[in-house]
Amino acid sequence: QTVVTQEPSLTVSPGGTVTLTCASSTGAVTSGYYPNWFQQKPGQAPRALIYSTSNKHSWTPARFSGSLLGGKAALTLSGVQPEDEAEYYCLLFYGGARVFGGGTKLTVL
Amino acid sequence: EVQLVESGGGLVQPGGSLRLSCAASGFSFSSYAMLWVRQTPGKGLEYVSAISSNGGSTYYANSVKGRFTISRDNSKNTLYLQMGSLRAEDMAVYYCARDLGYCGSISCSPDYWGQGTLVTVSS
Repeated sequence: QTVVTQEPSLTVSPGGTVTLTCASSTGAVTSGYYPNWFQQKPGQAPRALIYSTSNKHSWTPARFSGSLLGGKAALTLSGVQPEDEAEYYCLLFYGGARVFGGGTKLTVL
Repeated sequence: EVQLVESGGGLVQPGGSLRLSCAASGFSFSSYAMLWVRQTPGKGLEYVSAISSNGGSTYYANSVKGRFTISRDNSKNTLYLQMGSLRAEDMAVYYCARDLGYCGSISCSPDYWGQGTLVTVSS
């Protein structure tokens, strides 16, 4: 069974920069896995941020960026705002499966 | 404005069936692949099923294969998820979502999400 692993929790100061990562149990994450990133706040539906590694949706704030880093998919937030406190999920597309990571709880403190 | 509104959730006994619906508006429904994602209370997300724009291709997670059926009625702008042989582990909030279409007919870029409908499996 394929497992996608994210940091369980991270803390960042307002105005700071933080990188969340998304690793695959099958090996290095490549663009062929079409990494997606989603933000979810308590009581709300997930909101799409990034698709296919680094493409932003029309509503994605400029401070969010996606990349591949050291064999993982990565989501970097630059100039973090208090409203960025949320759970973040990555999603990888394999040939025969689509697997979400377990989520990273980002605290802005 | 793109809107996705799920309905059909509720309480069902183990082994029972339920059909979820997702009413779409604000876009050309027949042009987009659609998908269902579920979230167990307090837990993470699971990609359940997807269907191409014309209904000709489908995907199911192993956990629901053979028990759930995804379908769509493009004349009614509605997506469905027929769930059968329900188990306690199927209890979750079920979200429908649209796919942006980055990969063509195959879903690889979910963009808009509904607010979800809760399915409770209990005797």
